[in-house]
Amino acid sequence: DTGVSQNPRHKITKRGQNVTFRCDPISEHNRLYWYRQTLGQGPEFLTYFQNEAQLEKSRLLSDRFSAERPKGSFSTLEIQRTEQGDSAMYLCASSIPPEATSSYEQYFGPGTRLTVT
Amino acid sequence: AQSVTQLDSHVSVSEGTPVLLRCNYSSSYSPSLFWYVQHPNKGLQLLLKYTSAATLVKGINGFEAEFKKSETSFHLTKPSAHMSDAAEYFCVVSITGGGNKLTFGTGTQLKVEL
Repeated sequence: DTGVSQNPRHKITKRGQNVTFRCDPISEHNRLYWYRQTLGQGPEFLTYFQNEAQLEKSRLLSDRFSAERPKGSFSTLEIQRTEQGDSAMYLCASSIPPEATSSYEQYFGPGTRLTVT
Repeated sequence: AQSVTQLDSHVSVSEGTPVLLRCNYSSSYSPSLFWYVQHPNKGLQLLLKYTSAATLVKGINGFEAEFKKSETSFHLTKPSAHMSDAAEYFCVVSITGGGNKLTFGTGTQLKVEL
């Protein structure tokens, strides 16, 4: 299966520690998105890349969050000095650019569940 | 700005009866609209999408949705519920050219009873 993959699937960390998540998109997709989903809510947009360029960041993405996609393939999301409020499911999605299709659908990975104790 | 409102947080139906999950959207531009499903401990899966073609959209597993611009609605329906349909359903809007980032509703939990 060549879908979107995310690692790790679960992460438990202590408040104040740094964590890093990885996302591997579908290989021909040059757009990559990060979302955050808290309990009982729909996912919320955090940031997205087209190839290696980070084109937009949500106001939800505080200075403690940084995302990279250095070679336009996989992406990492790092959270520094984690807080209990960072506990959530972090979802990655990828898509083909709009010029190539009329559909714009995004394909999601299984997510990384972060618990900050 | 764009937003979606899912009118019911929980819907319960009997197996074999119709399903209706309601969604209203708000958008300054012509939107693309989607329904995604999330089964427990599984990733989000696209059910169907509307992108300014036919207003009645057919998706996977017998689901369909109708785009009604006059009512700003995009309700999801299925003629006959199956136990395997029990999941969380999200109505989603995106704007072409706005990075195509998705704006999700708060979700509707569908319960299917015998």
